[in-house]
Amino acid sequence: AQSVSQHNHHVILSEAASLELGCNYSYGGTVNLFWYVQYPGQHLQLLLKYFSGDPLVKGIKGFEAEFIKSKFSFNLRKPSVQWSDTAEYFCAVNERAAGNKLTFGGGTRVLVKP
Amino acid sequence: KAGVTQTPRYLIKTRGQQVTLSCSPISGHRSVSWYQQTPGQGLQFLFEYFSETQRNKGNFPGRFSGRQFSNSRSEMNVSTLELGDSALYLCASSLFRAGKDYNEQFFGPGTRLTVL
Repeated sequence: AQSVSQHNHHVILSEAASLELGCNYSYGGTVNLFWYVQYPGQHLQLLLKYFSGDPLVKGIKGFEAEFIKSKFSFNLRKPSVQWSDTAEYFCAVNERAAGNKLTFGGGTRVLVKP
Repeated sequence: KAGVTQTPRYLIKTRGQQVTLSCSPISGHRSVSWYQQTPGQGLQFLFEYFSETQRNKGNFPGRFSGRQFSNSRSEMNVSTLELGDSALYLCASSLFRAGKDYNEQFFGPGTRLTVL
């Protein structure tokens, strides 16, 4: 069965530090890849997505992610975080031809200290 | 444009009871998916409906069911509630565009179900 792993459950860092969250998935077929963010008390929101093409994708709020097919990875990065980036981040995978079903990783709680 | 709305936002039930949760998708969206979010299992896909038909189903027991109406609104039902059903239930809606195998999903705020 397909699975998605996020390596860090909790990350604490200071403002202006760089952030990198790891995501690996297990599925041999073609996939669409996503990062979602859930700010405290808010809805799950899409940060960025990869369907095909350039493996380096840019999303909202200065986030970017790199798809490395050979490593089945889709890591999220932000060069300089702000206090407002405190949130829970979820990596998700959609198998092509599986409708809209998303398989999520376990999430990473990120706390940015001012 | 109004977002995905879910009612009720909070619900407390006791074991053995049944519950029905409602989801109104964004206007024009015809696909509705449901997810369960718990601290232990994370976010898990329940099912997806499109044009009143279940298009996909996750690995949940038959106590979990859903349906979609002609106006794309969806309900999910959980019968014979168990303590482990306590969770945040999220609904997501999306457009359907012919020729695209995936359409971006927009999530609602969720219904927090507590089973005592």
